[in-house]
Amino acid sequence: SQQGEEDPQALSIQEGENATMNCSYKTSINNLQWYRQNSGRGLVHLILIRSNEREKHSGRLRVTLDTSKKSSSLLITASRAADTASYFCATDGGIGGSEKLVFGKGTKLTVNP
Amino acid sequence: EPEVTQTPSHQVTQMGQEVILRCVPISNHLYFYWYRQILGQKVEFLVSFYNNEISEKSEIFDDQFSVERPDGSNFTLKIRSTKLEDSAMYFCASSRGRGQETQYFGPGTRLLVL
Repeated sequence: SQQGEEDPQALSIQEGENATMNCSYKTSINNLQWYRQNSGRGLVHLILIRSNEREKHSGRLRVTLDTSKKSSSLLITASRAADTASYFCATDGGIGGSEKLVFGKGTKLTVNP
Repeated sequence: EPEVTQTPSHQVTQMGQEVILRCVPISNHLYFYWYRQILGQKVEFLVSFYNNEISEKSEIFDDQFSVERPDGSNFTLKIRSTKLEDSAMYFCASSRGRGQETQYFGPGTRLLVL
């Protein structure tokens, strides 16, 4: 079954460092989305990358997508303590497929001040 | 910036009771979704809704669950007879279309079944 799986499961860095999180999935997709969740709170959409895109930037975020490897990465540059949260990738069902999102277990990022 | 809203933020109920979770999707969106997240687990899809009918549902979405768009703005999830295992954070989401469209999530309703 299609599944987004992130690694590492947990990441602890110092403020100012870069954080890289990876996501792998199993089936074809239309797009891949990254979300952020502060502890016990809602899901905040960060960025959507389409299957025909290889890289996308938004502020301090950089997302790459390699459809041949079925993988994506999220890079947060110059991290801040406020970036502490869990980060999830979510994939859809591909062209003509399901619009439901399938989420991974997430990477729990801790940025130490 | 428009956002999805959900009420209540927290709900505590007794096992066997009915609960209704409410959502107001973003106004020009056409597709609506419910997801849930049991504590410490993945976010799981429950149901999608378009054009006043369910377009897809997961195996979790059994006969105890129903969704409704009672008017032009609200989207509700009803659990008829709650079970302990229904305790979770329930998220509503909406999108303009399907395919390459962002799904925007609400802040969630934390449901606790005792």
